Amino acid sequence: AQTVTQSQPEMSVQEAETVTLSCTYDTSESDYYLFWYKQPPSRQMILVIRQEAYKQQNATENRFSVNFQKAAKSFSLKISDSQLGDAAMYFCAYRSGNAGGTSYGKLTFGQGTILTVHP
Amino acid sequence: GAVVSQHPSWVICKSGTSVKIECRSLDFQATTMFWYRQFPKQSLMLMATSNEGSKATYEQGVEKDKFLINHASLTLSTLTVTSAHPEDSSFYICSALHAMNTEAFFGQGTRLTVV
Repeated sequence: AQTVTQSQPEMSVQEAETVTLSCTYDTSESDYYLFWYKQPPSRQMILVIRQEAYKQQNATENRFSVNFQKAAKSFSLKISDSQLGDAAMYFCAYRSGNAGGTSYGKLTFGQGTILTVHP
Repeated sequence: GAVVSQHPSWVICKSGTSVKIECRSLDFQATTMFWYRQFPKQSLMLMATSNEGSKATYEQGVEKDKFLINHASLTLSTLTVTSAHPEDSSFYICSALHAMNTEAFFGQGTRLTVV
């Protein structure tokens, strides 16, 4: 079974600064996807960024970028120029790329990291 | 973008009663929907996978007789919490797997309080 670990229960950053959230995972599969989701106080899950395991290039979405180290099974999220609106709980998630099986598409989440942004 | 609507957003019910939560994909077909449970400041735990036209697949430890899941159409899955008790109070979130691009989209969640 796949596991996802976020070792930072809480992180804080000053507005306009950069912060990195850590995530490691364990899998025996070669085809998979990794995600970072943001959950603000409204509790709506918002997709921040997605990485396909077969892609060597790290995904970027505006101020958000990842450092995907496949051999080390590490998938960290870097938030640049942090804004007050970035304050939320962030979840790293894994999804198998195997199209077979009744649970195709299910996400395995890490424990989450609460990010506080100080003005 | 694809929209998933979950209803109700919050519900309070008396102990012993049943509560139904709906998850609808508004602008796409979803052959698979997922139901998660989340306690405050904790992660999302998968409860079950709902496939259209077939029985749901429950995760280990989830009581299938307490959490009834029905996925009768490509746009609607329902979770019924039967004979609810205070310990069932939680935040329930659904996600729908887009049949075309296999992306998963989340509903806004339902806060259930059993008194």
